[in-house]
Amino acid sequence: DVKVTQSSRYLVKRTGEKVFLECVQDMDHENMFWYRQDPGLGLRLIYFSYDVKMKEKGDIPEGYSVSREKKERFSLILESASTNQTSMYLCASSPRDGTYEQYFGPGTRLTVT
Amino acid sequence: RKEVEQDPGPFNVPEGATVAFNCTYSNSASQSFFWYRQDCRKEPKLLMSVYSSGNEDGRFTAQLNRASQYISLLIRDSKLSDSATYLCVVESTGRRALTFGSGTRLQVQP
Repeated sequence: DVKVTQSSRYLVKRTGEKVFLECVQDMDHENMFWYRQDPGLGLRLIYFSYDVKMKEKGDIPEGYSVSREKKERFSLILESASTNQTSMYLCASSPRDGTYEQYFGPGTRLTVT
Repeated sequence: RKEVEQDPGPFNVPEGATVAFNCTYSNSASQSFFWYRQDCRKEPKLLMSVYSSGNEDGRFTAQLNRASQYISLLIRDSKLSDSATYLCVVESTGRRALTFGSGTRLQVQP
């Protein structure tokens, strides 16, 4: 069965902290994605990756960076957390390329105070 | 203009009703179309892919109209368990990724 896991379901951080969100998939998928979801705005793509050590900016990359050192793991980094980064963060993976169906992790609800 | 537009609803329907959602998209070159379902406080999950010829899966029927650039989802004989948000998903413009609509909320009532 397809499995995408995220390191935390809920996270509370202070403004200015460096935040790491981890995502792991066990399906040997090439492609991985980070989204944030906010009421009324839907899912917005932050960054994605087609391969190890490869990354592409999505629609809203400002304030975020990513790391993909291993195929199964894709990390989202908030260099200096701000209150407007309070959101639900969802990781997804996809076989072949990003236009195929995507499988999502359970999400991390991040609150920045 | 948004890449994918959906009526946010909510659509409140009684059990057993037939309900239809539409979605319009701007990328005329898109080759991939999906409907995802998202339950409250859960992750999105694939409901069905949408093919040019239309496709059906039990009570659910999806159709694609390329000329008018819209996708539809029809749910027949609604169940309480169909209550969820339905996300229209289309291949993004200019990159190999997907763009998600904001979703249409369905509430099926007893």
